[in-house]
Amino acid sequence: GNSVTQMEGPVTLSEEAFLTINCTYTATGYPSLFWYVQYPGEGLQLLLKATKADDKGSNKGFEATYRKETTSFHLEKGSVQVSDSAVYFCALTTGNAGNMLTFGGGTRLMVKP
Amino acid sequence: GAVVSQHPSRVICKSGTSVKIECRSLDFQATTMFWYRQFPKQSLMLMATSNEGSKATYEQGVEKDKFLINHASLTLSTLTVTSAHPEDSSFYICSARAPRGGGHQPQHFGDGTRLSIL
Repeated sequence: GNSVTQMEGPVTLSEEAFLTINCTYTATGYPSLFWYVQYPGEGLQLLLKATKADDKGSNKGFEATYRKETTSFHLEKGSVQVSDSAVYFCALTTGNAGNMLTFGGGTRLMVKP
Repeated sequence: GAVVSQHPSRVICKSGTSVKIECRSLDFQATTMFWYRQFPKQSLMLMATSNEGSKATYEQGVEKDKFLINHASLTLSTLTVTSAHPEDSSFYICSARAPRGGGHQPQHFGDGTRLSIL
């Protein structure tokens, strides 16, 4: 079956620090990979995606590269802001069951001024 | 871009009440929608897959008589929590798959409904 493992939080950083949130996966088939962000009290928003090996998804200064050889999709940002404080979810789909998503456990990021 | 609207955003009601939550795709048709439950500080737990015009597919351990799902049109799925009790209090989130565009399209999520049963 499919599974996603991401680093446990919370991750606490100072403003302008470098961010890495690790995500690894196992999948039957050829998955597409996603990062979603959840701000307090809200639903999930798609942050970025990658659909094939070596693709780099990017948005709002965040980046993640689809690494098939290491089955990873680590999220990075060069300089975090207080407004980036949220919970980040790594997810994948192999297109089964209507593109059902498999989520990681989520990583809470707290950025201090 | 694709937008999913979920309503209501917050419900507080007495034990024994049935509560209906709506999930609408505003600018696209969604043959498949998903309902999730999220406990505090935890990831999303898939409850069921809602299929337009047919019965929902429930995940193991989810009571289909407790959580009624109706997907009567291509833009609306509803989740009804029947005879809700305090243990049903949670954050419920729906999602719908974006229209076709190549590759595995991402899900778009509603803003969630916080259900509190007194």
